[in-house]
Amino acid sequence: GQQLNQSPQSMFIQEGEDVSMNCTSSSIFNTWLWYKQDPGEGPVLLIALYKAGELTSNGRLTAQFGITRKDSFLNISASIPSDVGIYFCAGPPFGNNDMRFGAGTRLTVKP
Amino acid sequence: DAGVTQSPTHLIKTRGQQVTLRCSPISGHKSVSWYQQVLGQGPQFIFQYYEKEERGRGNFPDRFSARQFPNYSSELNVNALLLGDSALYLCASSLGPSGTREETQYFGPGTRLLVL
Repeated sequence: GQQLNQSPQSMFIQEGEDVSMNCTSSSIFNTWLWYKQDPGEGPVLLIALYKAGELTSNGRLTAQFGITRKDSFLNISASIPSDVGIYFCAGPPFGNNDMRFGAGTRLTVKP
Repeated sequence: DAGVTQSPTHLIKTRGQQVTLRCSPISGHKSVSWYQQVLGQGPQFIFQYYEKEERGRGNFPDRFSARQFPNYSSELNVNALLLGDSALYLCASSLGPSGTREETQYFGPGTRLLVL
């Protein structure tokens, strides 16, 4: 019930293409977070969303907090090789003190 | 400013042994959370501490324990290690606990534990 369903599982795109990935849950979240993880390293925070409907950008990255509070998406525009990595959505379900993570979207960018 | 630091970076243990992992949060952060990340999966929540008190616990056996010190650093202990405990153990710090506006977590590089 409080699991995060992240899709797609993996993506193979050409450099310069736009990317879209999303995260859904059957539970309400008060916060949605998007992280990127490179091999052998800890996740790095990309974007934090705190309000339903909020649309936030960080350079070529844009993320939105769904108005139902049960979903979020992350877009990457004009992808470059350094965008390669695993992207995770995360957040604490409403009324919980723990952070839940999606299974991740593995992005490969071909030059 | 220094980010979250963890030690050691790598560790090899044998089944049945005990291990202690350490984490120093970002300066000014009072909450520390621990996660286990198995290869190919997202991090799984183990514990959250805030102001030296446990604020949350994930679905892990009692072999896993943690504590937070007055300087807000933290230790994760795992007793009676099993092969399945092999994973990347991540520490994250935040200004405040989950459920507050200060809950955004910043991760350290992790400790990679291999149990043989």
